[in-house]
Order: sequence, then C-alpha cells, then structure tokens
Amino acid sequence: DQQVKQNSPSLSVQEGRISILNCDYTNSMFDYFLWYKKYPAEGPTFLISISSIKDKNEDGRFTVFLNKSAKHLSLHIVPSQPGDSAVYFCAASAFVSGGGADGLTFGKGTHLIIQP
Amino acid sequence: ETGVTQSPTHLIKTRGQQVTLRCSSQSGHNTVSWYQQALGQGPQFIFQYYREEENGRGNFPPRFSGLQFPNYSSELNVNALELDDSALYLCASSLGREVYGYTFGSGTRLTVV
Repeated sequence: DQQVKQNSPSLSVQEGRISILNCDYTNSMFDYFLWYKKYPAEGPTFLISISSIKDKNEDGRFTVFLNKSAKHLSLHIVPSQPGDSAVYFCAASAFVSGGGADGLTFGKGTHLIIQP
Repeated sequence: ETGVTQSPTHLIKTRGQQVTLRCSSQSGHNTVSWYQQALGQGPQFIFQYYREEENGRGNFPPRFSGLQFPNYSSELNVNALELDDSALYLCASSLGREVYGYTFGSGTRLTVV
C-alpha cells in the first residue's frame, strides 16, 4: 500500500515555463512534507519542505503548496531551467506525532525534463 | 565541511552471502538513517541510529541490521542475501532525529546474482 503517490513518472516542460509536480498521500498522520531532487549517480538533495500548519512555502523559484483536505501537495518551479532536469521525489513524515522515528516515506519520483 | 560518504560505490554479491556497507556522517551530525531504493521506486526507510542506538525501523526483516560507532559513522549489514536485495542503498545523516535535516550520500549500488 503506497502511502505517498506521484502519479506522473515523467514530465516534459519547455525552458522558461512553469513546472508543476504533484504528490498525493493517504496517511493522515503525516505532518511534514519534503521535496528532494536527484541527479543520476548522486544522492537526493533537499529542495523545500512544508509543515502541515502551513499551506504554502516559497524559496526562490520553488513553491510548495499543501492542500490537507485533499491530501495533496504540489511543487511549482518558475521559471524552469535546464539544470532543473532531474528526478523529483515527494516525501512525508509523521514528525510531530512520531518524532521522525519512522523516517521518511517517499513517492516513486517524477522525472522532470526541461526542453530548451 | 565534508558531506556523507559511502563505501563501496558498487558491489556484486552472490545469493546467500553477507554484505557490509559503510557510511561516514557529515561532520557534526549524530544521527544516521539507511534507505533502500529499488529500481523505479522511491527510497524506503530501513532504520535510523541516534547516538549509537536504533531509534526507528521500517518494514525490513531482521537479516538487515546496523551499527553506529562513537564517531557517528555507521554500517548496514545484510545477511542471507536475496535477489530482491539488489538496490541502491542510501545513507543519510542529520543532527538529531529531525527528518528535515537529512544529508544523503551518493549510495552503494548492490547487485545480488
């Protein structure tokens, strides 16, 4: 049973446009959400996170939106750049309730391809 | 400041054998977590060590075990290897048990034949 789902295995976006990556979760105990970026032959790199007490968090070109009632979050990248081409993982944690002892639950990832 | 380093980078083992993977934490970090990433999947939590004690464990059998040393480096041991153990094994270190402070290593690619 997948608790974190990224239903788009890949996404192609033109350079300069907005990239929107989606993520759904089923576990209502999740209270902290993160996005990671992964290049081939490298470990995941933290991108941005959001606590369940917020519905939006921004960091430069990256914005994460959280809709708790729909159990849905999305990552917006504006404008998209060639260096953004990578696999993006959505991850969740029952951090406040569980103290992080269950680690992170990851989705399967979305391969973002930025076309020149 | 050095990041998280893992060794070896690649490894081939035969079914039934045992393997030890190693991880050096980022300087100043006292918590290590291990993840298994099978092909086409996201990383899956194996366990976490905080100050040399296992602090949490995912849905992995007991043949997956670990250690954390006083310098906060860590080992992942897998006994009785199975073909399905073939995966990328990722180590992440952090300061404290907070999941938002992870720094991941580049991983060890284990192939079981």
